[in-house]
Amino acid sequence: QVQLQESGPGLVKPSETLSLTCTVSGYSITSGYFWGWIRQPPGKGLEWLGSVYQNENTYYNPSLKSRISVSVDTSKNQFSLMLRSVTAADTAVYYCARERRVGGSVSLFFDFWGRGTLVTVPS
Amino acid sequence: QSALTQPASVSGSPGQSVTISCTGTSSDVGGYNYVTWYQQYAGKVPKLMIYDVSKRPSGVSNRFSGSKSGNTASLTISGLQAEDEADYYCSSYTSNDTAVIFGGGTKVTVL
Repeated sequence: QVQLQESGPGLVKPSETLSLTCTVSGYSITSGYFWGWIRQPPGKGLEWLGSVYQNENTYYNPSLKSRISVSVDTSKNQFSLMLRSVTAADTAVYYCARERRVGGSVSLFFDFWGRGTLVTVPS
Repeated sequence: QSALTQPASVSGSPGQSVTISCTGTSSDVGGYNYVTWYQQYAGKVPKLMIYDVSKRPSGVSNRFSGSKSGNTASLTISGLQAEDEADYYCSSYTSNDTAVIFGGGTKVTVL
């Protein structure tokens, strides 16, 4: 069974960099899927942040493009999120998920999700 | 890049059917058959319910069905049950920046 687990600091100071890691178990991170990050501010909806495929292809939400990077560490079967210059608006539950894309670019769905981790940026 | 438009809430009595709409544009919902629906219980992880507009993953009840007409996709829950009370989110691939966009979510209440 595919399992994902987010890890990282729960509190990040304004203007600093949010860094999260997602550890994948039960499935090789090099086996044909993209790996993505989605967040959900408290009481609000879902927002896709970015996705990566074996450090070859990355896609980012255009509203975050200047601040975000997503990468894969195949040796550890992990992928990571970095979001720079955070503000209180970045406070959210951050989910990592396995993503199916076709043709190398077209996103179909996120089928396995981590449990999510709350990251707070104080105002 | 605007979010897809969903009603904030829908409700129905047990046994009834409810339909949730999800409206986008020709760059996303209308342009591709890649609409997805997720169910999320309060405080829980989103669960994939429908993909490719109308396909159900293994294990998802056939009471859930999806469809699309033009720029609007729909999720119908038939034979509404108490356990269906949750938030439902649509999403779609968009050709703008090869991105993924979500709807704002719809809260389904079973009366």
